Amino acid sequence: EAGVTQFPSHSVIEKGQTVTLRCDPISGHDNLYWYRRVMGKEIKFLLHFVKESKQDESGMPNNRFLAERTGGTYSTLKVQPAELEDSGVYFCASSLLTGAITDTQYFGPGTRLTVL
Amino acid sequence: DQQVKQNSPSLSVQEGRISILNCDYTNSMFDYFLWYKKYPAEGPTFLISISSIKDKNEDGRFTVFLNKSAKHLSLHIVPSQPGDSAVYFCAASGLAGSARQLTFGSGTQLTVLP
Repeated sequence: EAGVTQFPSHSVIEKGQTVTLRCDPISGHDNLYWYRRVMGKEIKFLLHFVKESKQDESGMPNNRFLAERTGGTYSTLKVQPAELEDSGVYFCASSLLTGAITDTQYFGPGTRLTVL
Repeated sequence: DQQVKQNSPSLSVQEGRISILNCDYTNSMFDYFLWYKKYPAEGPTFLISISSIKDKNEDGRFTVFLNKSAKHLSLHIVPSQPGDSAVYFCAASGLAGSARQLTFGSGTQLTVLP
């Protein structure tokens, strides 16, 4: 079974440009999460989708970040315009939607974003 | 303000000995705790978890202990192997509506020396 995949693995852009990150969750996983790790610090929650609906976007830094999950399958995270402080590793995770406390979140390899 | 803290950024242990990684949390609403392992250029991989109704969970060489009164958990790896060298993240979750977002610590780099 394929795991969570993310594209691209690495993106280098200049300040002010736009970047779109993509996440393909494990097939059948209705929960999809975005997280970010900045400067080797803790991994921080950004937002949570259940199918195509945003359940919680309390971790989104500001309105320069836009996440979508059309059709409830893959998700995109767009940063527009990118700022220097957006640099970091963006992780996507997915899990089943059984409601059980033990629904394990499986993480993708991450996208390393560098804003120059 | 970090709700999950891993105060040791790094730990070195001799192969075959015990590795003990520690984690403290502040939010009393957390009811489920996890450890993830991360190799370079890879995403975190789930290792072991524990519910707040338990104080110990064991899976092979890995044991997690939870002390609710102290808001402290630890991961024991016995015996440690060179392949265990990785960054270990402590994470916690609590039900907030229908979401179960994870709150992570900043990680501990474990190095197991052959």
